[in-house]
Amino acid sequence: DGGITQSPKYLFRKEGQNVTLSCEQNLNHDAMYWYRQDPGQGLRLIYYSQIVNDFQKGDIAEGYSVSREKKESFPLTVTSAQKNPTAFYLCASGSTGSNEQYFGPGTRLTVT
Amino acid sequence: QKEVEQDPGPLSVPEGAIVSLNCTYSNSAFQYFMWYRQYSRKGPELLMYTYSSGNKEDGRFTAQVDKSSKYISLFIRDSQPSDSATYLCAIASGTYKYIFGTGTRLKVLA
Repeated sequence: DGGITQSPKYLFRKEGQNVTLSCEQNLNHDAMYWYRQDPGQGLRLIYYSQIVNDFQKGDIAEGYSVSREKKESFPLTVTSAQKNPTAFYLCASGSTGSNEQYFGPGTRLTVT
Repeated sequence: QKEVEQDPGPLSVPEGAIVSLNCTYSNSAFQYFMWYRQYSRKGPELLMYTYSSGNKEDGRFTAQVDKSSKYISLFIRDSQPSDSATYLCAIASGTYKYIFGTGTRLKVLA
């Protein structure tokens, strides 16, 4: 099946710990994105990558880091520097030159 | 002023009703307009994608863009309980950078 997978679905961490969220796609898309969704707010862009080994900061990149070593994978690390990490994290992908973005099922991160 | 404004709802309608969901935006440079459906605790699903002004129809869904008024709409005909979800609008001026509305929560009552 073609699609975007995110794991785990739920993640619990203690404050002060770094945590890495997985995102994999087999759609052969060049572009991949990470968003954060909070109640009452629209999706906010954290990082995006248009090509392997290259990525750009989005609107709220502070406290997050990413890597893009493979076309199909775009992991997101939530570091201890992120002040309010508890949120629903969504990964998306799309073809270069297309404005259509397709989302994964999301990871709900809770930090206590 | 937010770049995209969307009424959060909730909007409750009886089964079979025509639903109208709307967003307004502030920047006339936006040319790409998307509608997503998001069920609770799931990722958004792309419903409609339109470029520039006009209408686009797909089954029971019609997307409408009025660039002169900076207003986009999604119409759902013959609404079903399974349409109950949050609907997100998204706009873009070029590739990669979407601006999302906050979403409208829709409840279709059987």
